[in-house]
Amino acid sequence: EPEVTQTPSHQVTQMGQEVILRCVPISNHLYFYWYRQILGQKVEFLVSFYNNEISEKSEIFDDQFSVERPDGSNFTLKIRSTKLEDSAMYFCASRRQGSSGANVLTFGAGSRLTVL
Amino acid sequence: AQSVAQPEDQVNVAEGNPLTVKCTYSVSGNPYLFWYVQYPNRGLQFLLKYITGDNLVKGSYGFEAEFNKSQTSFHLKKPSALVSDSALYFCAVREHGSGNTGKLIFGQGTTLQVKP
Repeated sequence: EPEVTQTPSHQVTQMGQEVILRCVPISNHLYFYWYRQILGQKVEFLVSFYNNEISEKSEIFDDQFSVERPDGSNFTLKIRSTKLEDSAMYFCASRRQGSSGANVLTFGAGSRLTVL
Repeated sequence: AQSVAQPEDQVNVAEGNPLTVKCTYSVSGNPYLFWYVQYPNRGLQFLLKYITGDNLVKGSYGFEAEFNKSQTSFHLKKPSALVSDSALYFCAVREHGSGNTGKLIFGQGTTLQVKP
């Protein structure tokens, strides 16, 4: 069964450092997403990406965050200058284009970011 | 604005007994509704969805959910719980006609504990 792959599984960084989280979506999917889950809290939407541009972003997704699909397979989330409150599990998801039957988002296993 | 509420942080049930995990939602139009399950150190796995049609939908691992428009609910059920069903369950909603984003809004999650 096709999977969404995320790397790294866990990253520890110092406050103020840049972090890049990587995702390889399912190959025929066209919509891409990042979500985050702070420990013990709900899964929160960060950003959606379609046709090489951001289609929607939440209030959390401020100027410190950016996304990119540099080579047609990877989908990355960059945090320019990490803060303590960025510590969370970050999930990548993707879905196919099309009818309502294609509305299921497939999630990766997540990247745990710890900011010290 | 769309929202999802899962009123129970934790549900405890004995193996072999029926289980219910509650979910209510709020959208301005017609909803797409989803249940996802998260096992420890794993990503979110799709269980089932309601798009339109029959109010009772069946999904993976013997789970089902009933859409109730008047009560704006989408409770997850299983006739006979297994210890292996113990996990974190998320209800999610997407509004029809939400354009190219297709983003899901998640509830806060309910931990299901099935005891032998």
